[in-house]
Amino acid sequence: DAKTTQPNSMESNEEEPVHLPCNHSTISGTDYIHWYRQLPSQGPEYVIHGLTSNVNNRMASLAIAEDRKSSTLILHRATLRDAAVYYCILRANTNAGKSTFGDGTTLTVKP
Amino acid sequence: NAGVTQTPKFQVLKTGQSMTLQCAQDMNHEYMSWYRQDPGMGLRLIHYSVGAGITDQGEVPNGYNVSRSTTEDFPLRLLSAAPSQTSVYFCASRDTLNTGELFFGEGSRLTVL
Repeated sequence: DAKTTQPNSMESNEEEPVHLPCNHSTISGTDYIHWYRQLPSQGPEYVIHGLTSNVNNRMASLAIAEDRKSSTLILHRATLRDAAVYYCILRANTNAGKSTFGDGTTLTVKP
Repeated sequence: NAGVTQTPKFQVLKTGQSMTLQCAQDMNHEYMSWYRQDPGMGLRLIHYSVGAGITDQGEVPNGYNVSRSTTEDFPLRLLSAAPSQTSVYFCASRDTLNTGELFFGEGSRLTVL
């Protein structure tokens, strides 16, 4: 399975944008890039996913490099409720495609 | 809809005891999976299933058994609990559309003494 690399931790100020990077240099052509986040004492929740094109939804934006070897999750205005562990995951484009979680990035949001 | 429901939420076992963690989903998802999360770590895949009667191993399957007799249920069995299995266990499901998001339960916290 292709691996992802994320910084262990990042800090942001409230109401400022946050760019969370993820490297996935061994991504295969049909792997989807998924992002999840885990709030304290909760299960992970889906944030966004994409294949090649940049994606936007109500929670965040996903910017995917042209060579697909890296991606960036963008939170446009961080709030205190965005403090969580963010996981970048590659998933094979099959019914049995497994989601392998790394250790993620712990985002701290300062008021 | 209830989504993914896990029981029990908390359990304390003695070494050598057996137990089953229950997971049920009401979204008619074909794919279901179990993860464990140790303190300060990410999630590791234990077992997964792509439909009733079909299961496969993940990254850390040793010490755990699963079965999938119905679409709704995917129980995880610990045959002889060990302290190394102290962890938080998460069940997740998704439909088999290739881009389907994973829905997680609230977790089951297991302590093995």
